[in-house]
Amino acid sequence: DTAVSQTPKYLVTQMGNDKSIKCEQNLGHDTMYWYKQDSKKFLKIMFSYNNKELIINETVPNRFSPKSPDKAHLNLHINSLELGDSAVYFCASSPPRRYSVSYNEQFFGPGTRLTVL
Amino acid sequence: AQTVTQSQPEMSVQEAETVTLSCTYDTSESNYYLFWYKQPPSRQMILVIRQEAYKQQNATENRFSVNFQKAAKSFSLKISDSQLGDTAMYFCACLSGNTPLVFGKGTRLSVIA
Repeated sequence: DTAVSQTPKYLVTQMGNDKSIKCEQNLGHDTMYWYKQDSKKFLKIMFSYNNKELIINETVPNRFSPKSPDKAHLNLHINSLELGDSAVYFCASSPPRRYSVSYNEQFFGPGTRLTVL
Repeated sequence: AQTVTQSQPEMSVQEAETVTLSCTYDTSESNYYLFWYKQPPSRQMILVIRQEAYKQQNATENRFSVNFQKAAKSFSLKISDSQLGDTAMYFCACLSGNTPLVFGKGTRLSVIA
């Protein structure tokens, strides 16, 4: 059973196009995230949603718009794609924070490699 | 703001030997959590080991153990009896307060037969 799934795993598109990446988790978690991993492997948070509400929005161009139809899904829509958007995008989820570290683990999806030509 | 620093971009180790990956962090929170994630060529992010800051005992998971030095804000990962399957990028990460998980830049580990 897949805990956090992302579709598609690979996405190749032309500059200027609009594309979406879907994420679903079946863990019953309240919080979901989008991370971007650049060509140098650096992982950085983009967005975080808690129970469908945006709680973190890092310095990300407004061409990127997350959408959470319910707490099991967090999709990422990207408008007017640019060459610099090429990266691997990871979705993750975590349960509510507690004092026990086991509740603070983030579970990652397999990643989506986006290539903008 | 919290920061995580991994000072070794690349490391290599002979199969069956032991290797230690370094990580230092900085946070103003008194309660926080530290993690090591592994990312093999498949690019899946896999949790290797985790540590709660208020626990003095170093975490251990089979061949993986940490050396947590709270005063020095150091959280190194030791891999014993290295195996070829340990070849991967390793990321140190810190979670504190209401901030999201912050990752270091990673260490690429190669296990050589």
